[in-house]
Amino acid sequence: SQQGEEDPQALSIQEGENATMNCSYKTSINNLQWYRQNSGRGLVHLILIRSNEREKHSGRLRVTLDTSKKSSSLLITASRAADTASYFCATWVTGTASKLTFGTGTRLQVTL
Amino acid sequence: ETGVTQSPTHLIKTRGQQVTLRCSSQSGHNTVSWYQQALGQGPQFIFQYYREEENGRGNFPPRFSGLQFPNYSSELNVNALELDDSALYLCASSPGLAGGPSDTQYFGPGTRLTVL
Repeated sequence: SQQGEEDPQALSIQEGENATMNCSYKTSINNLQWYRQNSGRGLVHLILIRSNEREKHSGRLRVTLDTSKKSSSLLITASRAADTASYFCATWVTGTASKLTFGTGTRLQVTL
Repeated sequence: ETGVTQSPTHLIKTRGQQVTLRCSSQSGHNTVSWYQQALGQGPQFIFQYYREEENGRGNFPPRFSGLQFPNYSSELNVNALELDDSALYLCASSPGLAGGPSDTQYFGPGTRLTVL
């Protein structure tokens, strides 16, 4: 079963615009991570935010975490065509044997 | 590049056959995890190995088994293949026992398995 649900399922924007993706999860977590996947290939780790952090930045990426609402958001600023990919949130669920649980993903299309 | 490799890239099998997928982790990474990703879905955790011992398993039947070797390579074996086993299989490695507050997994490019 999926721990997280991303919203929206698909997003289409023009180059230069910002893209915001949301993730909701169900149980207590140690941390939350965002991954990118190009064309059904391997996942690339983007950013990790710990359960005691509220916001984190990495280049054009900004991640927020609200543990009271069990939700996170990923903002990509000034998007580029190369950002076209699927984006997944993933959480380490506390009390389990090191199980990284992924959401269903947001498919981002950035057009010129 | 994550330094994690998988072979083969693509594989076609028929129902009832057995398959072995291989993964080579980064040197020094003691943990390897395997995931199954069906088309249009997020990856699902199959199991994890830490220093050659299974250390956690997802909701997959026993016909999914694994091995981890001292040279940082590992295998995923699937017996009695079913049509629903068609998916992208991903391995991921990490330096320590995965799951810590600052742990990151490094994914390989995956093996696309098609079962006919």
